[in-house]
Amino acid sequence: GQNIDQPTEMTATEGAIVQINCTYQTSGFNGLFWYQQHAGEAPTFLSYNVLDGLEEKGRFSSFLSRSKGYSYLLLKELQMKDSASYLCAVLDSNYQLIWGAGTKLIIKP
Amino acid sequence: GAVVSQHPSRVICKSGTSVKIECRSLDFQATTMFWYRQFPKQSLMLMATSNEGSKATYEQGVEKDKFLINHASLTLSTLTVTSAHPEDSSFYICSARARGENSPLHFGNGTRLTVT
Repeated sequence: GQNIDQPTEMTATEGAIVQINCTYQTSGFNGLFWYQQHAGEAPTFLSYNVLDGLEEKGRFSSFLSRSKGYSYLLLKELQMKDSASYLCAVLDSNYQLIWGAGTKLIIKP
Repeated sequence: GAVVSQHPSRVICKSGTSVKIECRSLDFQATTMFWYRQFPKQSLMLMATSNEGSKATYEQGVEKDKFLINHASLTLSTLTVTSAHPEDSSFYICSARARGENSPLHFGNGTRLTVT
């Protein structure tokens, strides 16, 4: 079966750095997405990785290792507004999106 | 960035009535649109996938006669919840993807449906 694993919840301090991990087992791989979702709102696109390595976008970076079936989202200089759920999603061989359950990130002052 | 507009954002309807939700891609052509529902504190659940000009593909367990999807143009898809029941109350979210199978999905702001 297809499976996306990410931690259910994480807590971090304002101004700090947090890494949210995602591991996947899917039938094929055509890229991995990270989305941010605030409570009661729709997800917003953060990043897309299809090649191994680190992609940096401001305070957010996303890393992919295809051989390990592993990705992480790195958030630096955390702000209170970063409190949200972070969703990992993989495009499988049929270009279907397989969603993780999301990681709820709690930022404390 | 790409913008997807979803309307209405909130709707309350009586049991037995029908509700239509619109999803528009404002600055790109959406060859594929997806409809999701999300219950509180739960993950997105894909309901159906629609490609412009063809019938929607429904996920297992989703009644196609109850959740009517129309994708008549490259910028508009609609979801109609027919004969709504209280258990249909949920957060419905559309997303759209431009041509290119690894193009990112862009989401509408969602519709909070409450059936009384």
